[in-house]
Amino acid sequence: DGGITQSPKYLFRKEGQNVTLSCEQNLNHDAMYWYRQDPGQGLRLIYYSQIVNDFQKGDIAEGYSVSREKKESFPLTVTSAQKNPTAFYLCASSKQYSYEQYFGPGTRLTVT
Amino acid sequence: GIQVEQSPPDLILQEGANSTLRCNFSDSVNNLQWFHQNPWGQLINLFYIPSGTKQNGRLSATTVATERYSLLYISSSQTTDSGVYFCAVRSNDYKLSFGAGTTVTVRA
Repeated sequence: DGGITQSPKYLFRKEGQNVTLSCEQNLNHDAMYWYRQDPGQGLRLIYYSQIVNDFQKGDIAEGYSVSREKKESFPLTVTSAQKNPTAFYLCASSKQYSYEQYFGPGTRLTVT
Repeated sequence: GIQVEQSPPDLILQEGANSTLRCNFSDSVNNLQWFHQNPWGQLINLFYIPSGTKQNGRLSATTVATERYSLLYISSSQTTDSGVYFCAVRSNDYKLSFGAGTTVTVRA
């Protein structure tokens, strides 16, 4: 089946630890995105990548890092510098030059 | 950046009722999407509708780009329609800007 997978579904970490969230797509999409959702709010863009080996900061990139070494994969690292990392993280992808984005199932990160 | 406002914030419906959700945006857009977020957090694409009208089963949407708003219609609502409905728009850059959502509760 074609789609976007995110793992794990739930993730628990201690404060001060870096953690990496996985996002993989087999839709042959060129562009990939990471969003953060806090309770009762809409989504906010963290990072996006239009092509392999290139990515740009979104609205709330501080405390996060990404890589795009393969077209299918766009992992997000939540670093210890992120002040409020507990949130729901969603990955999305789209075709090049297409404006329609498709979302993965998300990862709920809890940092204590 | 572009501002997106959704109304109402909360909507409680009796099963079988019809409803209209509204999305206003502050600038011209080249993309507008409606999503349904289910209780497990998955965002389901409902419509890609930068302009015009589309229908999919009991759902339909209309975007009037010149007046900067979009409407999502739910007819004959069912309990499975419950969840949060998001409108998201894109202007000249690559990012989608999301509204805060409308939480819909359909009671049996």
